[in-house]
Amino acid sequence: GNSVTQMEGPVTLSEEAFLTINCTYTATGYPSLFWYVQYPGEGLQLLLKATKADDKGSNKGFEATYRKETTSFHLEKGSVQVSDSAVYFCALSATSGNTPLVFGKGTRLSVIA
Amino acid sequence: GAVVSQHPSWVICKSGTSVKIECRSLDFQATTMFWYRQFPKQSLMLMATSNEGSKATYEQGVEKDKFLINHASLTLSTLTVTSAHPEDSSFYICSAPPGAFFGQGTRLTVV
Repeated sequence: GNSVTQMEGPVTLSEEAFLTINCTYTATGYPSLFWYVQYPGEGLQLLLKATKADDKGSNKGFEATYRKETTSFHLEKGSVQVSDSAVYFCALSATSGNTPLVFGKGTRLSVIA
Repeated sequence: GAVVSQHPSWVICKSGTSVKIECRSLDFQATTMFWYRQFPKQSLMLMATSNEGSKATYEQGVEKDKFLINHASLTLSTLTVTSAHPEDSSFYICSAPPGAFFGQGTRLTVV
C-alpha cells in the first residue's frame, strides 16, 4: 500500500538557519505529493504541493521537488523564522483525485531566536 | 482555492452524550468527503469516507455505530460521535477532494 516516511523530530534550529525535512514515499502509479503545516492548536494548512515528477512546489519561502527517481519530496527553506515553528506533515494522494491522503508522522520544528 | 468549513472548532461534552460535527464545502460540490482523527502529537489517521447519497466507508477498527456519518447533500457531511467517552477526546478534521483542502478541525473533549 501507499505510505509516507518523514524524518523524526523534533528539529530545533536557530533563526535564519537552513531547513531540510526529509520525506520519502512508497506508492503505485504517480501520486500527488503535499506538505502541510499545523500551528499549535490549529488545523492543517496546505503549504505546497506537486502533482508530477520534477515539479517544484513553493510557498512562503518553502520549496519541495517531486523526485520520482528517489521517491522523495524533501521540504527546504533557506532561512527559517521563529514564526515557522510548527508541525510539518508530508502526504500523498493517489492519482484518482478522489482518494484520501496518506500522511507521514509529522516533524515538529522549533525555531529559536 | 476550494474552501472547506468545519463547525464547531471545539466542543466539550459530558460522557454519554452525542456530538455532531459539520463539514461543508463552501464553493464547490463534494460527492466525497474524508474524516480524519488526530491524537495529541500524532499524525492524522483516516476514519471514514463519506459518500453523498450512500453509506460511508469506514476504515478498519473504526466503529460505524459510534461514529455516524451522514452525507445528505453535495455540500455537507456530518460526523456524530455517539455516547461519547473520554477516550474519544481527539482532534477531528475533514477534507474534500479535489485539492486536498481541509476544514479547520474540531477539538472534542469528553469529560
